[in-house]
Amino acid sequence: GAVVSQHPSWVICKSGTSVKIECRSLDFQATTMFWYRQFPKQSLMLMATSNEGSKATYEQGVEKDKFLINHASLTLSTLTVTSAHPEDSSFYICSARGFSGANVLTFGAGSRLTVL
Amino acid sequence: QKEVEQNSGPLSVPEGAIASLNCTYSDRGSQSFFWYRQYSGKSPELIMSIYSNGDKEDGRFTAQLNKASQYVSLLIRDSQPSDSATYLCAVWGGSYIPTFGRGTSLIVHP
Repeated sequence: GAVVSQHPSWVICKSGTSVKIECRSLDFQATTMFWYRQFPKQSLMLMATSNEGSKATYEQGVEKDKFLINHASLTLSTLTVTSAHPEDSSFYICSARGFSGANVLTFGAGSRLTVL
Repeated sequence: QKEVEQNSGPLSVPEGAIASLNCTYSDRGSQSFFWYRQYSGKSPELIMSIYSNGDKEDGRFTAQLNKASQYVSLLIRDSQPSDSATYLCAVWGGSYIPTFGRGTSLIVHP
């Protein structure tokens, strides 16, 4: 079945630094990738939608200059949290939709970010 | 605005019972419906997909779809403590962005 690899699974960084999270579709080509954020005991919040080769579409309230998304190939999308602050600490999850035509989303394992 | 509604729960059922999870959606043009399970601290994993009215069974899970009533449900038979998780309903409409419900917390007690 479709597998999405997300790395790193957890990261701790100092306030003001940047962190990059990678999301790879291992056995299929992902036309669209979605980035979500989830705070403890809260629901998934869609941050942005990225299509290969084009700029990401950000949801209202998500700062595109702070959360940089790059989808340079059909198998790789990255999310960079720039100048991270403690309030950015969260669980970031990517998901990918493939070419199959069926709207099946496969999720990565998630990346837990802690900003000190 | 497209909405997907789920009762947040928690829904508590005894081991061996049937758990019934419900979801309603607002977009009548929705075509694809999914149930995901999310354990605490983990990412969602796909359990079932359903595209046509009626029932779809997969092992202990049955998804039910009624497009006229804009309603989709998930039944879990012979519930086990390992089924304790949050269940997310996801709906795809005409856009290529899925809408997720807030999830229903299920607790299966021995």
